[in-house]
Amino acid sequence: DAKTTQPPSMDCAEGRAANLPCNHSTISGNEYVYWYRQIHSQGPQYIIHGLKNNETNEMASLIITEDRKSSTLILPHATLRDTAVYYCIVRVVPRDNDMRFGAGTRLTVKP
Amino acid sequence: ETGVTQSPTHLIKTRGQQVTLRCSSQSGHNTVSWYQQALGQGPQFIFQYYREEENGRGNFPPRFSGLQFPNYSSELNVNALELDDSALYLCASSWREAPGELFFGEGSRLTVL
Repeated sequence: DAKTTQPPSMDCAEGRAANLPCNHSTISGNEYVYWYRQIHSQGPQYIIHGLKNNETNEMASLIITEDRKSSTLILPHATLRDTAVYYCIVRVVPRDNDMRFGAGTRLTVKP
Repeated sequence: ETGVTQSPTHLIKTRGQQVTLRCSSQSGHNTVSWYQQALGQGPQFIFQYYREEENGRGNFPPRFSGLQFPNYSSELNVNALELDDSALYLCASSWREAPGELFFGEGSRLTVL
């Protein structure tokens, strides 16, 4: 299984883009990159996932490097409600039926 | 469309007791997973159910067991509670066809004294 490395914490100014990095240098060809977040006292929330192409949805954009060894989750206009722990997870689906949450990055959006 | 709901939200038990936690899946989802989240840590996978059968299990002892019902609701049972079982227990539902996109409930916080 590919391991992921994320910074333990980051700050971002409200209204600015939040760029959350994730290293997964041992990723294999059939492993997807998933991002979840967990706002305090709530269950985790699925954000986005991708294999090798960049992806965008209403919540965020996912940029995966060409060699797939790292990725960045981008929240284009961070708000105070985006303050949460963000988890980057690499899994083979559908083979792997569990999401392996590490420590994640605690993002604090400041006014 | 209703989301994932869990009950109870909070409960306190003593060592050696048994507990049952309940989960109603999001409408249309056919797979349910359970996670344990200790304070300050990420969620840890307990097991998953699909078509009422266990479909994968994490590193948890047999005293953690589960059920999935025909309406896709689910239960997590923990026997012989230990102090270390104190945690937030999260239920997540998903479509079999989109296994990585989990929809989590708010969790049940269990305290074992």
